[in-house]
This record gives sequence, structure tokens and C-alpha cells, in this order.
Amino acid sequence: EPEVTQTPSHQVTQMGQEVILRCVPISNHLYFYWYRQILGQKVEFLVSFYNNEISEKSEIFDDQFSVERPDGSNFTLKIRSTKLEDSAMYFCASTGDSYEQYFGPGTRLTVT
Amino acid sequence: AQSVTQLGSHVSVSEGALVLLRCNYSSSVPPYLFWYVQYPNQGLQLLLKYTSAATLVKGINGFEAEFKKSETSFHLTKPSAHMSDAAEYFCAVSAVSGGYQKVTFGIGTKLQVIP
Repeated sequence: EPEVTQTPSHQVTQMGQEVILRCVPISNHLYFYWYRQILGQKVEFLVSFYNNEISEKSEIFDDQFSVERPDGSNFTLKIRSTKLEDSAMYFCASTGDSYEQYFGPGTRLTVT
Repeated sequence: AQSVTQLGSHVSVSEGALVLLRCNYSSSVPPYLFWYVQYPNQGLQLLLKYTSAATLVKGINGFEAEFKKSETSFHLTKPSAHMSDAAEYFCAVSAVSGGYQKVTFGIGTKLQVIP
């Protein structure tokens, strides 16, 4: 069964450093998403991406964040200068035509 | 705009007892509704989904949920709890617009199963 993959599974970085979280969506999907889950809290929408541009972004997705689809398979989330409060689990998701979002296993980002 | 309310952030049941996790939603358009399960330190696994077909939806691991439009509810049930059901459960709603959808999650309900 096709699945969304994410790398790395755990990333530790120092405050102020740039991080790139990587996702490989399901190959025939066209819509891509990033969500965030701070420890003990609910999953929050960050951004959606379609046709090489952002469709919608939340207020969390400020100028420190960016997304990119650098090639035909990867979908990345970059945080330019990490803050302590960026520590969270980041989930990538993609959608085909079944209206079901397929979620990746997540990347746990720890900012120290 | 869409939102989800999950009543009860923590629910405890005895092994073998009925599991009932409550979810109410708000959506300005006909919704798609989902239940996801998350085991500790793991990702989100889809349990079941409602996409405007049958109102009673059966999912994996013996779970089912019923869409009740009049009550704007989508409660999750399982007749007999197993120890392996202990996890966090998230109700979610989305509205599809031109193929794109944004999923809004509830705050989650942690299910504890007591032996």
C-alpha cells in the first residue's frame, strides 16, 4: 500500500539554526500539507500546497517557514531560524481523489 | 469555517466494556469526518471516515461511528474494549473545495483501558 514517508524521524537542532524537514508524498497525489503537533496538544494545520504554490496557510506559518517541492517527489518544510517553541511533531500529508488525507509518520523536532 | 469539539480529554473504560468517544462538529458545508488514532510516539492512523455515503461507518479494529446530521455528531464506539485500544483518538473534519481540503482536528481524547 502506498504511504507518505518523512525524514528524519527525529531532528535535534539549536535555537536559531535552519532545519529542513522532508516528505515524500504518495506519487499520484497533487495536494500536500504540513501539520504540527506540540507535545500534549492537538494537531494544527500549517500550510497546504498545490500546483507549486501555497493554497492556504495558518497564522502559525509566518515568514520563518517556507515550503517547496524541489523535484517530482519531495515536499519540504523549512524553518529558517528555529525557536524553542518550534519543538513539535511535524506531519506531512497528501491527498489524491479519495478525500482522505494520508499522513506520514512525523518528524519530531527538538529545539534546544 | 469548520471546527471539532471532543468531549472528554480523558476517558477510562474497563477491558470488555463499551467504548464511546464523543465528537461534535461544525461546518458551513457538508463535511467529511474522520477518526484518527495515535499511539505514543507514533503518527496518525486513520480509523474510519465518513464521506457522505452510509451514515454508519465501520473502521479498523472493531470501531465504528455514526454520522448524525441533526445532532452534528460523529461519535466513535466499540462494543468491547481491548487493552491494545489504549491510545489517543482525534476526531477531524474537512470540507473539500476543488480537490483541496484542510483538516481541522479536535483536541483529542486519551483512552485508558483498565484491566
